[in-house]
Amino acid sequence: IQLTQSPSSLSASVGDRVTITCRASQGIRSYLAWYQQKPGKAPKLLIYAASTLQSGVPSRFSGGGSGTDFTLTISSLQPEDFATYYCQQFSGYFTWTFGQGTKVEIK
Amino acid sequence: QVQLVESGGDLVKPGGSLRLSCAASGFTFSDYYMTWIRQAPGKGLEWISYISNTGSTIHYADSVKGRFTISRDNAKSSLYLQMNSLRADDAAVYYCAKGYGSTWAFDYWGQGTLVTVSS
Repeated sequence: IQLTQSPSSLSASVGDRVTITCRASQGIRSYLAWYQQKPGKAPKLLIYAASTLQSGVPSRFSGGGSGTDFTLTISSLQPEDFATYYCQQFSGYFTWTFGQGTKVEIK
Repeated sequence: QVQLVESGGDLVKPGGSLRLSCAASGFTFSDYYMTWIRQAPGKGLEWISYISNTGSTIHYADSVKGRFTISRDNAKSSLYLQMNSLRADDAAVYYCAKGYGSTWAFDYWGQGTLVTVSS
């Protein structure tokens, strides 16, 4: 199963609403997670099970979708949100796949 | 608090070997599955190996199958990755990550250790 994120990069301003899409090459169960990675740092789990917010993650982050199409939305972009975001799925056969990443940059 | 600390990254020649370690603390290591994930310079994330909490179930990505071996020592709260027949495209930052139960996500990651493969 391949995951394709769109867009690959975007420029946005503080306060903007941003949506990133993750499309699977075939239908997947909702074992879909989203991570945020800042330069030189390890990824941080934001969302799991497609729409469940990880403890400690601000509520401006939300996830949704099912089947083949999933989204990560940041309702009001903050300066600390400029980073690269990855979706990740679990195949059910003890293998995992990541999307290619979406870089969110300051406009 | 949960901590994962990788070590063992180094410069190695093509065809060489390296053993990475991940020291875990702040949680009951033997209760959780663990994985290794890598990131080539300037590239995305690639899952490469999984080991169940007891070590009885192991899986690899096709890119490393037959060359890499994952293992764990629950008594030492440590995870390992033995890497043999290293190639230039194995060069990456290698992260260990803790499994998050039935969510099948990874809730804690180490800071990573850099493996460079070059003659």
